[in-house]
Amino acid sequence: GQNIDQPTEMTATEGAIVQINCTYQTSGFNGLFWYQQHAGEAPTFLSYNVLDGLEEKGRFSSFLSRSKGYSYLLLKELQMKDSASYLCAVTDSNYQLIWGAGTKLIIKP
Amino acid sequence: DAMVIQNPRYQVTQFGKPVTLSCSQTLNHNVMYWYQQKSSQAPKLLFHYYDKDFNNEADTPDNFQSRRPNTSFCFLDIRSPGLGDAAMYLCATSRDRAGGDTQYFGPGTRLTVL
Repeated sequence: GQNIDQPTEMTATEGAIVQINCTYQTSGFNGLFWYQQHAGEAPTFLSYNVLDGLEEKGRFSSFLSRSKGYSYLLLKELQMKDSASYLCAVTDSNYQLIWGAGTKLIIKP
Repeated sequence: DAMVIQNPRYQVTQFGKPVTLSCSQTLNHNVMYWYQQKSSQAPKLLFHYYDKDFNNEADTPDNFQSRRPNTSFCFLDIRSPGLGDAAMYLCATSRDRAGGDTQYFGPGTRLTVL
């Protein structure tokens, strides 16, 4: 079966750094996405990785290791508005997007 | 601005009363998707259209139907809503179905079934 694992919930402090991990087991791999979803709203695109390594985009960075079936999303200089769920999703060999259940990130002052 | 629009944002219906949710896009994307998302769960793909080609997920109940009359519009019909169908319904689009094609989401329609 296809599976995406992420922690259910994480807590961090405003101004700090947090790393959200994602491991996947899918039939084939054609890229990994991270989306942000605020409560009651739609997911919004954050990043896409298809090659191994780190992609940096402002305060957010995403890392991929295809051999380990592993990715992480790194958020720096946390702000209260970063409180949201972060969803990891993998495109499989049929180009279907397989979603994780998301990690709820709580930011405390 | 190019975008994905969903109407209504909130929909209340009665048990068994048909309901239609709509989605429109100005991105001119080939692919349109309908997802169901319940609280703290991953979005669940119901079906998608690649242009006019309809693709139903194997576990999507027959109670759910979809129409795509043209490139811009897509509808989700729930023929006889049950209490278990209360959820957020998300419409998304992508340019194509290749690995790197980002899906862009509308704001969602929250369905309540009384």
